[in-house]
Amino acid sequence: DVKVTQSSRYLVKRTGEKVFLECVQDMDHENMFWYRQDPGLGLRLIYFSYDVKMKEKGDIPEGYSVSREKKERFSLILESASTNQTSMYLCASSLLAGGYTDTQYFGPGTRLTVL
Amino acid sequence: GQQVMQIPQYQHVQEGEDFTTYCNSSTTLSNIQWYKQRPGGHPVFLIQLVKSGEVKKQKRLTFQFGEAKKNSSLHITATQTTDVGTYFCAGQIRDSNYQLIWGAGTKLIIKP
Repeated sequence: DVKVTQSSRYLVKRTGEKVFLECVQDMDHENMFWYRQDPGLGLRLIYFSYDVKMKEKGDIPEGYSVSREKKERFSLILESASTNQTSMYLCASSLLAGGYTDTQYFGPGTRLTVL
Repeated sequence: GQQVMQIPQYQHVQEGEDFTTYCNSSTTLSNIQWYKQRPGGHPVFLIQLVKSGEVKKQKRLTFQFGEAKKNSSLHITATQTTDVGTYFCAGQIRDSNYQLIWGAGTKLIIKP
């Protein structure tokens, strides 16, 4: 069974703090994704990575950066947290499947509150 | 930019009634996936449709992919309390990179 874990279920930070969200998958998947989920807006892609040290911007990368130093780990960084980054953050991973996006497996999510 | 519109945003049904959610893309899709998110949970993959006009069934769930590969639907027959949650479609744009374009989701609510 694929397992995607995220470092925290709940996190409370102050405006201006640097925030690290970590995601680890145990199935040797090439692709990893960071989304944020807000009511009525569905899932919005922040960044994704299709290989170690490779990253691509998603739809809403502003205010975020990512790091993928090892295949199993994908980190999301908020350089200076702001209140509008209060959200649920979901990490996902998938296989690289010959041009098709394979099934995405999600972690449990981190609910981040920025005060 | 490319969008996948999903309607309705909410659907309230009595237990035993049917439920349908629809997705419509502004661009031709190479494939579409459906996910279910239970309250308090994370999205879980249900199915992927790849071929034009494809219809797949999983027990009481029927998934369709339109002939033009721009729209899709999920129909649940005789809803049960275990069906409660939010259903998302997610499409891949042909010749794109590996990201999915997500619908906003339809929340299925069973009336007490």
